[in-house]
Amino acid sequence: GQNIDQPTEMTATEGAIVQINCTYQTSGFNGLFWYQQHAGEAPTFLSYNVLDGLEEKGRFSSFLSRSKGYSYLLLKELQMKDSASYLCAVGNAGNMLTFGGGTRLMVKP
Amino acid sequence: GAVVSQHPSWVICKSGTSVKIECRSLDFQATTMFWYRQFPKQSLMLMATSNEGSKATYEQGVEKDKFLINHASLTLSTLTVTSAHPEDSSFYICSARREGLAGATDTQYFGPGTRLTVL
Repeated sequence: GQNIDQPTEMTATEGAIVQINCTYQTSGFNGLFWYQQHAGEAPTFLSYNVLDGLEEKGRFSSFLSRSKGYSYLLLKELQMKDSASYLCAVGNAGNMLTFGGGTRLMVKP
Repeated sequence: GAVVSQHPSWVICKSGTSVKIECRSLDFQATTMFWYRQFPKQSLMLMATSNEGSKATYEQGVEKDKFLINHASLTLSTLTVTSAHPEDSSFYICSARREGLAGATDTQYFGPGTRLTVL
């Protein structure tokens, strides 16, 4: 089975940097995904890691350590519109996703 | 990016009625689509995997006779909630899996969701 943990809530200041951590225990790993979900809307794809290391995409970066079962999403130069839930999801061999509980990020002025 | 649509966006129905939700991949073909349910302030829970031309695969605890899934074409999957009850009120989200090109990974793209309220 899959077990995915991430903090429930985080608060950060506009313009700052925030790191959202995700730890997982899984049987059959085929990549780790990060999604952003605004309230009442569907998730949107942010990033994908299958190899160890850092993937950078604009203000967002995602890191993976497979040996530690650990990933983080790094958001730089925070903007108010970044207030959302961030979902960590692990893909299995069948490309099915199991989602963590999500981290609600609140960006304050 | 890939576009997935869902219809309707929201629906209110009486207890005991059936509701059909459509999920379409607009600019790519999807042999596999997924149906999720999300209760307020909770994460997405996978209900079933919809396979084009074959029966859906349901997750444990999801009643296949209550949540009917049909994936008749490479761009359309439907979820029918039969004999809906108030406890079925939820946010239903579909996703379509787009196969990666040149060895890239497959990625799921989500529809905008359907909010179902059963009175």
